[in-house]
Amino acid sequence: QVQLVESGGGVVQPGRSLRLSCAASGFTFSRYDMHWVRQAPGKGLEWVAVIWFDGINNYYADSVKGRFSISRDNSNNTVSLQMNRLRAEDTAIYYCVREGRISGYPLFDYWGQGTLLTVSS
Amino acid sequence: DIQMTQSPSSLSASVGDRVTITCRSSQFISRFLNWYQQKPGKAPNLLISVASSLQSGVPSRFSGSGSGTDFTLSISSLQPEDFATYYCQQSYTSPPTFGQGTKLEIK
Repeated sequence: QVQLVESGGGVVQPGRSLRLSCAASGFTFSRYDMHWVRQAPGKGLEWVAVIWFDGINNYYADSVKGRFSISRDNSNNTVSLQMNRLRAEDTAIYYCVREGRISGYPLFDYWGQGTLLTVSS
Repeated sequence: DIQMTQSPSSLSASVGDRVTITCRSSQFISRFLNWYQQKPGKAPNLLISVASSLQSGVPSRFSGSGSGTDFTLSISSLQPEDFATYYCQQSYTSPPTFGQGTKLEIK
């Protein structure tokens, strides 16, 4: 069965860096685009970043562009999110998400359990 | 970016009721619309894709409709396990965007 397991969350001071990781299993990882989606406490869902199946392209939300970097290792079935210059407003649960497709229509079909990042002094 | 607006933001209903949640996009998105259910402390779960296609394992009391800019999620007879927050999401263009959520509560 498909599993996505995030790790790396924690408490970090503003301005510092942190790296989140997601270990994927149960599917052919190298065939799927992978995303990070976050949810601030008590708030809605916000897309953060995507990396294409082959790692060639990646895109970011304006709110994190220039500070966050998404990468993947298709030999180890992992996707990572390097977060630099962290701000209080980055505090959220970060979900690793697989992008599936039905008849060519993209959708978020599998989500990890999430990892909590708290940015606070 | 395409903005997704859900209404209502919260809804109180009773077991057995029929409820409808509306999602409107700021631009044409054809049928590139997905619905997710999220329960407290859990990750979102995909319910409906392509506006009306029920995911495997999702009860038939859930249904989706719409195209273009206006969409609805309906639950025909609420069950206790349906009380949750529901999000719509467009996948027509990047960045993918979500509605603000509709919290369905027990009356």
